[in-house]
Amino acid sequence: DAGVIQSPRHEVTEMGQEVTLRCKPISGHNSLFWYRQTMMRGLELLIYFNNNVPIDDSGMPEDRFSAKMPNASFSTLKIQPSEPRDSAVYFCASSLAALAGAEQFFGPGTRLTVL
Amino acid sequence: AQTVTQSQPEMSVQEAETVTLSCTYDTSESDYYLFWYKQPPSRQMILVIRQEAYKQQNATENRFSVNFQKAAKSFSLKISDSQLGDAAMYFCAYRTTYGNKLVFGAGTILRVKS
Repeated sequence: DAGVIQSPRHEVTEMGQEVTLRCKPISGHNSLFWYRQTMMRGLELLIYFNNNVPIDDSGMPEDRFSAKMPNASFSTLKIQPSEPRDSAVYFCASSLAALAGAEQFFGPGTRLTVL
Repeated sequence: AQTVTQSQPEMSVQEAETVTLSCTYDTSESDYYLFWYKQPPSRQMILVIRQEAYKQQNATENRFSVNFQKAAKSFSLKISDSQLGDAAMYFCAYRTTYGNKLVFGAGTILRVKS
């Protein structure tokens, strides 16, 4: 299996621009997670989906952030407008929801830099 | 809400020696899962070991083992015969039985000296 795929791997943009991060989970996994990693705040869960439905978005920092999962094999995390404080590494992870204690498999991350 | 604390920002170990990374957590639940993830410089998050809270036996994966003390809410990771490839950031994480969310500690940077 190819594992969790994220694109782009690196993104540099200017403040105010829209940024879209993409994720393809492992085939057959029905839970998908978006995390953000910064030096100051560590690894934070932003939102997660079960069977394409958002279950918990309490970690989404503000209305500038939105996430969608239109089907079982694709999810996006959008930031509009972006700000320098959004600079971070964004990880997508997937797992089998029905399996208690299931491992979350992480993608390689997208390093976002907002100038 | 559950919290995970890793009190050691950085640790060093000599190659072939043993090192223990500490983790404590706070929860009111009786059943849950604990994990150690490794993040090398490549940024890829890799599962090292998992422990189910209802199991008294400590989990072991080759050179990696845990010391799970449920009453003390402690979950330390022991790495035996340390290798240069073990150098990474290590994260302790908590997950409830009924939810999918992982709560991570702040991480411990492990340096391995040759």
